[in-house]
Amino acid sequence: GAGVSQSPRYKVTKRGQDVALRCDPISGHVSLYWYRQALGQGPEFLTYFNYEAQQDKSGLPNDRFSAERPEGSISTLTIQRTEQRDSAMYRCASSPHTGFEKLFFGSGTQLSVL
Amino acid sequence: AQTVTQSQPEMSVQEAETVTLSCTYDTSENNYYLFWYKQPPSRQMILVIRQEAYKQQNATENRFSVNFQKAAKSFSLKISDSQLGDTAMYFCAASIQGAQKLVFGQGTRLTINP
Repeated sequence: GAGVSQSPRYKVTKRGQDVALRCDPISGHVSLYWYRQALGQGPEFLTYFNYEAQQDKSGLPNDRFSAERPEGSISTLTIQRTEQRDSAMYRCASSPHTGFEKLFFGSGTQLSVL
Repeated sequence: AQTVTQSQPEMSVQEAETVTLSCTYDTSENNYYLFWYKQPPSRQMILVIRQEAYKQQNATENRFSVNFQKAAKSFSLKISDSQLGDTAMYFCAASIQGAQKLVFGQGTRLTINP
């Protein structure tokens, strides 16, 4: 596609439910990043992949959060047993190489946990 | 730990004026990238300008330019001839080489008044 695509755009869920957020990077992009942005704050790093390999997951808040990119393209961020504090904008970004010369962000998924 | 600080939570100027947004960072890296991102009310993340730390020349993109002071670890953004469409949240970010992460500041909310 023309850009990084994230779905759903908005997700409202009840506390305790599991959610899966999808990121479709620009075709051929090597690296894929997940960030979380609370309202009024800057994005915070969660995890990233080079190809299908998860390189760093140090930003994942706890073991309820996980991410995968099984074929080196589409990635899914899964949050199990959601809590109200998980409410935030979840952003995906991709880059054609492992450096930061070009980094493209998606429009994000706004998650609300009631 | 690498940190990025934006000391101005909010700024407001009149249309056509010049405005400078401040950013300081702390890193032990010698080679890194610095970025300014714009986030309009739509909450997209739009790259405004990028600077490689090994380049002494300040980056410029049309009305946007930076003042990069490597020794002082300062990276300010100057917007000339400001326009109403420049109204947005602006985030400064720095890369962590090797860790392949972007660290963002807290943001500056810029309002351009007619």
